[in-house]
Amino acid sequence: DVKVTQSSRYLVKRTGEKVFLECVQDMDHENMFWYRQDPGLGLRLIYFSYDVKMKEKGDIPEGYSVSREKKERFSLILESASTNQTSMYLCASSLGRYQETQYFGPGTRLLVL
Amino acid sequence: SQQGEEDPQALSIQEGENATMNCSYKTSINNLQWYRQNSGRGLVHLILIRSNEREKHSGRLRVTLDTSKKSSSLLITASRAADTASYFCAKNSGGYQKVTFGIGTKLQVIP
Repeated sequence: DVKVTQSSRYLVKRTGEKVFLECVQDMDHENMFWYRQDPGLGLRLIYFSYDVKMKEKGDIPEGYSVSREKKERFSLILESASTNQTSMYLCASSLGRYQETQYFGPGTRLLVL
Repeated sequence: SQQGEEDPQALSIQEGENATMNCSYKTSINNLQWYRQNSGRGLVHLILIRSNEREKHSGRLRVTLDTSKKSSSLLITASRAADTASYFCAKNSGGYQKVTFGIGTKLQVIP
């Protein structure tokens, strides 16, 4: 079974802090994704990566950056956390260009005070 | 704007009844996927239906796609309390696996 793990289930940070969210997948997937999920808004794509060191902006990249130094790991960085970044963050991966199924991690619930 | 809008946003049924959720979208798609999310957890893939397919089955799940109406439906037959979850449709219109999720239908199955 594909396993996607996220570094924390719950995280509390202060405004202005730099926040790292880590995601690791164990199935040699090419593509990795970061979403945020908010009530009434569904899932919105922040960034995705289709290869090591490659990244593409999603629909809401402002205030976020990402890093993919190794194939299995995709990090989401909040350079200076703000209260409007309080959300559930979901990482996902998919096998390759024509394998559309995405496999999700359990999510990180981030609270920015 | 969000693609893949689900309807209804919430649904409450008795165990044993069928549950139908609908999804509409605005532009052409390569495929449409349905996912399930238990409260506070990640999403789990259920079914993928391609634009040239009209119907797919998986166990108690049946998905239909009507490209002329730009809509899809997910039917769960003989529902169980364990089916209580949120269900999302996700539209893929090509290019590096990017999909666009709707806002979901929250299903409650009452035992």
